[in-house]
Amino acid sequence: GAVVSQHPSRVICKSGTSVKIECRSLDFQATTMFWYRQFPKKSLMLMATSNEGSKATYEQGVEKDKFLINHASLTLSTLTVTSAHPEDSSFYICSASGGQGHYYEQYFGPGTRLTVT
Amino acid sequence: GQQLNQSPQSMFIQEGEDVSMNCTSSSIFNTWLWYKQEPGEGPVLLIALYKAGELTSNGRLTAQFGITRKDSFLNISASIPSDVGIYFCAGLLSNFGNEKLTFGTGTRLTIIP
Repeated sequence: GAVVSQHPSRVICKSGTSVKIECRSLDFQATTMFWYRQFPKKSLMLMATSNEGSKATYEQGVEKDKFLINHASLTLSTLTVTSAHPEDSSFYICSASGGQGHYYEQYFGPGTRLTVT
Repeated sequence: GQQLNQSPQSMFIQEGEDVSMNCTSSSIFNTWLWYKQEPGEGPVLLIALYKAGELTSNGRLTAQFGITRKDSFLNISASIPSDVGIYFCAGLLSNFGNEKLTFGTGTRLTIIP
């Protein structure tokens, strides 16, 4: 149990376009989902926390209008990178809590590599 | 944001050797988690620790929650090639409605043939 999927796994887009990344908890209902960004050879940096049916809470320095998060159900959250630019290229990882174990243990998706040309 | 200090930053060892890495913080946590990440993948939870002083094993992995609640270590015994990856510690000060993880800087493990 506690499997999280992400789609797509890789995406290449042109500068100025928008990209949507989906995060799904496959075998549990996720009370909370988290979105992280990871630069090469660096640790994970939390971008935002979202609870189903409510607005996401963004970390300091993360532009909420650029990184739109929707958490429409207990098994699905989406991150939309709007008007993407090359500096948005990164590895985006979601996680979900509410699975087996303690309620706050986070289970991670496989990540989405975004390349903006 | 805040990050935990992990050491060493990288390790180059031979197969069969034991591995030890640790994580320290200037603030306390009441849960410590250890994750492993392979290239191009998301982190996978290895061990979770919930009480100060707790020592927990998962196969060849052993982790301890420091008594001061500001540190944790992870040991891997008799390393094998599939242990290669980046190991992250993560601390949590769980307040209901605010379960954010603070991640360590990572320890990259390489096994020399």
